[in-house]
Amino acid sequence: AQSVTQLDSHVSVSEGTPVLLRCNYSSSYSPSLFWYVQHPNKGLQLLLKYTSAATLVKGINGFEAEFKKSETSFHLTKPSAHMSDAAEYFCVVRMDSSYKLIFGSGTRLLVRP
Amino acid sequence: DTAVSQTPKYLVTQMGNDKSIKCEQNLGHDTMYWYKQDSKKFLKIMFSYNNKELIINETVPNRFSPKSPDKAHLNLHINSLELGDSAVYFCASSQDSREYTFGSGTRLTVV
Repeated sequence: AQSVTQLDSHVSVSEGTPVLLRCNYSSSYSPSLFWYVQHPNKGLQLLLKYTSAATLVKGINGFEAEFKKSETSFHLTKPSAHMSDAAEYFCVVRMDSSYKLIFGSGTRLLVRP
Repeated sequence: DTAVSQTPKYLVTQMGNDKSIKCEQNLGHDTMYWYKQDSKKFLKIMFSYNNKELIINETVPNRFSPKSPDKAHLNLHINSLELGDSAVYFCASSQDSREYTFGSGTRLTVV
């Protein structure tokens, strides 16, 4: 069975400092992995996706994530946080040949001035 | 132009009522979905249609019935609404399950 675990429910950083949001997955198949962001009272926006090409994936707004098969991880990073990054972030896994997305429980990113 | 649009954005209704949420996508995608986000922000798939055919039907009460008149539309009808149905419902679409586009959500409040 597939699952995805976001290790932190809340992460708080100061503006201008690095961001690390952790995600581990469990999948018997070759997974596709995504990170989505949800700003307050807004919909879900795709940040980036991994689909078995390059293991380091660059996304929008300066975010990137690295797929590490040996660690079954897909952590999201950004070198320097901006106030506008404050939002809920979801790590998502999709099993190959399946249409179904499995969402993690989300990590709320707080950015302090 | 909004790629995946849902209406209404907010819906407040009494227990026992029947309500519908509509979704339309103009991306030409062949698959559409309904997801439910509960009060703890947890998102879970409910249904999926591929070219008007139901392909995913999770364990959802049969008070919930999706309807897809064509591949650009997927509506969600809910009968006999209960307090526990209060949530944000997201519509989404994809082409070949590669990239998913979500609507902005419908916040349903049952009182």
